Amino acid sequence: DTGVSQDPRHKITKRGQNVTFRCDPISEHNRLYWYRQTLGQGPEFLTYFQNEAQLEKSRLLSDRFSAERPKGSFSTLEIQRTEQGDSAMYLCASSRDRGQETQYFGPGTRLLVL
Amino acid sequence: GQSLEQPSEVTAVEGAIVQINCTYQTSGFYGLSWYQQHDGGAPTFLSYNGLDGLEETGRFSSFLSRSDSYGYLLLQELQMKDSASYFCAVRDTGRRALTFGSGTRLQVQP
Repeated sequence: DTGVSQDPRHKITKRGQNVTFRCDPISEHNRLYWYRQTLGQGPEFLTYFQNEAQLEKSRLLSDRFSAERPKGSFSTLEIQRTEQGDSAMYLCASSRDRGQETQYFGPGTRLLVL
Repeated sequence: GQSLEQPSEVTAVEGAIVQINCTYQTSGFYGLSWYQQHDGGAPTFLSYNGLDGLEETGRFSSFLSRSDSYGYLLLQELQMKDSASYFCAVRDTGRRALTFGSGTRLQVQP
C-alpha cells in the first residue's frame, strides 16, 4: 500500500454512460497524475496537477475526459459518453515537489465498458 | 515525440542475474526511471537515473548512458517474487509526465 487510494476499484458501465473516478493522493504530495493502462502496455499519461492547477494534458485526452482537483487534495476523473475503447485500468499517482521522480501509484480503477 | 524500446519477455532462474535493457528517443531528456508491476498490482518505483552511471539499491541496480540513449536495470540474486513486469520510463525537460515503455515481463523459474 503506497498511501494513494482510488475509488471505485472496479466499474462496469454501459456504452454511453458517464463515469467518475476518485483519487486520494498521499497527503503531503502536491503533484497528482492520471494514467491509463491497457493489458500488456505501460501506463499512458493523461493529465497532471500541481496543487489545484491542471498543468499538463495529453493529446490522448479527448473532450469526453475531464479531471479536477478543486482543493489541491483529492482529484476526480470523469469520462462522459463512455465508449468500449475506454475500457482500461485508470491509475492515479502522486509525488512531492522534491524527489519528484518517484511517483507513488494507487491500485487503480478497472473500467469495463459494455 | 518519445519512444522507448525494451524486450517484451525475459526468463531466468532463481539466484541468477538478469539485465533488462531500455533504449529511448526523446526530444529533451531529463531522466530515466524504472518501475515494477506485479500482475493485478500498481506500478512501484524502483530506481532513477538523471546522470550517467550506475545507481545501486539493494539487489537492483540501474545504469544510464545519455550519449547512447540507453539504460538498463540489473536484478541480482533473483527470487521468485521478482516475477513481474518491469517498465522503463522517461521524463522530458519541462514536463512532469512520464512516458513508459511497453514493459518487460520477467519470469523467474525455480
